[in-house]
Formats: sequence, C-alpha cells, structure tokens
Amino acid sequence: AQSVTQLDSHVSVSEGTPVLLRCNYSSSYSPSLFWYVQHPNKGLQLLLKYTSAATLVKGINGFEAEFKKSETSFHLTKPSAHMSDAAEYFCVAPEGTDKLIFGTGTRLQVFP
Amino acid sequence: SQTIHQWPATLVQPVGSPLSLECTVEGTSNPNLYWYRQAAGRGLQLLFYSVGIGQISSEVPQNLSASRPQDRQFILSSKKLLLSDSGFYLCAWSVTGGAYEQYFGPGTRLTVT
Repeated sequence: AQSVTQLDSHVSVSEGTPVLLRCNYSSSYSPSLFWYVQHPNKGLQLLLKYTSAATLVKGINGFEAEFKKSETSFHLTKPSAHMSDAAEYFCVAPEGTDKLIFGTGTRLQVFP
Repeated sequence: SQTIHQWPATLVQPVGSPLSLECTVEGTSNPNLYWYRQAAGRGLQLLFYSVGIGQISSEVPQNLSASRPQDRQFILSSKKLLLSDSGFYLCAWSVTGGAYEQYFGPGTRLTVT
C-alpha cells in the first residue's frame, strides 16, 4: 500500500531564505504525488502534482518539487520564502483509484 | 472552470441537535465527491466518498451520514451531534475513474457546545 511520510512537523525560516519541506513515499511503483497548502481556516489548495511526465515539477507561488525514485522522496522547495507562505503543507499520494492518503502535515513559519 | 461551494462557513450547535452541511460543485459532471474532517491540530480524516448518485462509501463508523441526492450535491448529516463532532469539515471533488488530485471547498467550522 502507498504511504507518505512528512519528516518535519514544523519548519521555521526567515523571510527571503530558502524553504525545504521533506516528504518520503513508499510504493513499489512510480506513483502520482501531490503537494497541497492550507492557510488557517481555509480549504486545501493544490500546489503542484507529479504524474511521471517530468521529475522536476513547478507549481504555483514559486514552489517546486523533485521526484527522486532512488531516494523515494518528493521534497518541496522554494528559493525565497515570503510571509504569505506561512501555512500547513501536505504531501499526498493516491490510494487506489478513488482516494488520497495524506501526510501528517508540516507547519511552515516565516519570520520577518 | 469548476467551482466548489460549502455552506455554512461556520456553525455553532448544541449537543444533541441535528446537522446538515451541504456541498455543491459547478462546472463538471459525474465527479467523485468527498467529505473530510480535520480536528484541531490533527490531519485530515476521510469520512465518506461517493462515485455516483446514491453511492456512498463510509470510511469511519460514527455519528454521521452522507447522501448524494444529485450528481453535484453532497450532504453531510447527523441526527444528534456529539462534542467530538466538532471540527473543520471539508468537501472535495475529483475527476472520476483514476488516481486524480482532489479540489477542496472552503470548509465549514463546526463547534458543538
């Protein structure tokens, strides 16, 4: 069965510094993978998705993620954090054909 | 383009009262529909999903039920709310027939007092 592990529950960065949110997946095949963002009291928004077309995936708001099969990783990065990036981020994988499995989330804090 | 609506945005209900949360999707046909709950400080829990009208799959036995009376309408209900039903309820939709991403509504904050 597919599973995702987010390695950090909290990440703190200063505004203007790089962001790295880590996610490892567990699967016997190359999966689809997604990153979602959730701001306080809001719904989840799709940041980006990997679907085997390219290992480096660019998303909205300057985020990108790289699928590394050898490391079973799908880490989310951004070169320069902005205050508005402060939110909860979820690494997500499909479970079967109709459901998703969510990581436990990483809360990103951005300090001025 | 597709749009997903949820209402109400916030709700405060006493223990033992009924509940009805509604979700509608526009701009797509025959979507998969989902209800999730997010308790304070915790991750997402899938409650129900539906792959078609009248077809409901329950993920967690509990005090809640779901119905899909129309193709793009998904309703979450309870006859008698418990304190433990408090949380943030999210509706989502996806394209049917594959391992596709889901698109989420704005959520309903339910507080049971």
